[in-house]
Amino acid sequence: TQLLEQSPQFLSIQEGENLTVYCNSSSVFSSLQWYRQEPGEGPVLLVTVVTGGEVKKLKRLTFQFGDARKDSSLHITAAQPGDTGLYLCAGGGDSWGKLQFGAGTQVVVTP
Amino acid sequence: GAGVSQSPSNKVTEKGKDVELRCDPISGHTALYWYRQSLGQGLEFLIYFQGNSAPDKSGLPSDRFSAERTGGSVSTLTIQRTQQEDSAVYLCASSLALRRPRSTDTQYFGPGTRLTVL
Repeated sequence: TQLLEQSPQFLSIQEGENLTVYCNSSSVFSSLQWYRQEPGEGPVLLVTVVTGGEVKKLKRLTFQFGDARKDSSLHITAAQPGDTGLYLCAGGGDSWGKLQFGAGTQVVVTP
Repeated sequence: GAGVSQSPSNKVTEKGKDVELRCDPISGHTALYWYRQSLGQGLEFLIYFQGNSAPDKSGLPSDRFSAERTGGSVSTLTIQRTQQEDSAVYLCASSLALRRPRSTDTQYFGPGTRLTVL
């Protein structure tokens, strides 16, 4: 059972389009991280959000942490083929560095 | 700089055999994590080491799984009597946790070992 539900599971869009990926849970997390994973590689951290309602921008990527710290979203503006990958969200509690991962959203951006 | 390395990158074994997977963390990182990623699934936590403290083994799925970390650096994950359901990508990560690791720490992942049990 996944504590973190990601949607959609798969997303295929054309270059230049926008997309949003969602990460939802019934549990409260003290922090939420987003990773991107490419084939044959480990996940790479994109961002960490810790405050309810927090919004962080990383170039064309916008991350939002829900007010209740149970959900998060990742929005990509004007997607590029280099954005292709598996996007994973991971929630952290108050204990040590243990993270709960979602199953991921596979994003494919075609030229 | 050198990142987290894992070996082998691929391992094919027969059901019932034992396998050892190796992880070399980033030099100086005190925390080391093992995860398992099955097809279509997210990362499943297996075990965590922090310095000289006793490891957190709460994620190990059965007593066929064990791990050790020698000298606070290299770690080996051992799976005994492998089963087909053990087939997955095994990922190792490390983080610089000066004292007590936090969930906001950046974990640096290796490329993983793809294990296939026939």
